[in-house]
Amino acid sequence: DQQVKQNSPSLSVQEGRISILNCDYTNSMFDYFLWYKKYPAEGPTFLISISSIKDKNEDGRFTVFLNKSAKHLSLHIVPSQPGDSAVYFCAAGLSGAGSYQLTFGKGTKLSVIP
Amino acid sequence: EAEVAQSPRYKITEKSQAVAFWCDPISGHATLYWYRQILGQGPELLVQFQDESVVDDSQLPKDRFSAERLKGVDSTLKIQPAELGDSAMYLCASSLGVGQNTDTQYFGPGTRLTVL
Repeated sequence: DQQVKQNSPSLSVQEGRISILNCDYTNSMFDYFLWYKKYPAEGPTFLISISSIKDKNEDGRFTVFLNKSAKHLSLHIVPSQPGDSAVYFCAAGLSGAGSYQLTFGKGTKLSVIP
Repeated sequence: EAEVAQSPRYKITEKSQAVAFWCDPISGHATLYWYRQILGQGPELLVQFQDESVVDDSQLPKDRFSAERLKGVDSTLKIQPAELGDSAMYLCASSLGVGQNTDTQYFGPGTRLTVL
């Protein structure tokens, strides 16, 4: 049973346009959500996070939106740049024992076309 | 900028051999995680340490995998004997840990294991 789902394996966007990556989750107990970017042969790099008490968090070109009633979050990248081409993982956290355990989606491969 | 260190970056071994991976977390991070990532999938937690203690190893195949963090700093993950299905990327992550409301995990570069 996949608790975190990224239903789009890939996404292509023109440089300068908006990239929207989506993520759905099933466990209503998740209270912390993160997005990671991963290049081939490297570890995931933390991008942005959001707590369940918020519905939006912004950091430069990256904005994460959380819709708790729909159990849905999205990552917006504006404007998209060729260097953004990577695999993006959505992760959901469940607090416990003083730290978070994360459940990851399968990832969405973003290609930004120059 | 502080980073999580892992070695080796790549490891090729034959089936039934023993392999070991090393991780040095960001200084001051109490929590350390080992994940396994199979191609096309997201990382899956194998084991979580809080200082030197195991918090969760429910997904660790204990018949062949072992992990330790003896002094609560660096950690070793061992597989003995390795099987073909163990081929994957092994990722280490660390976070500040206890008392943190938003406990971001930071990942190392990973070890790519190939079992022949």
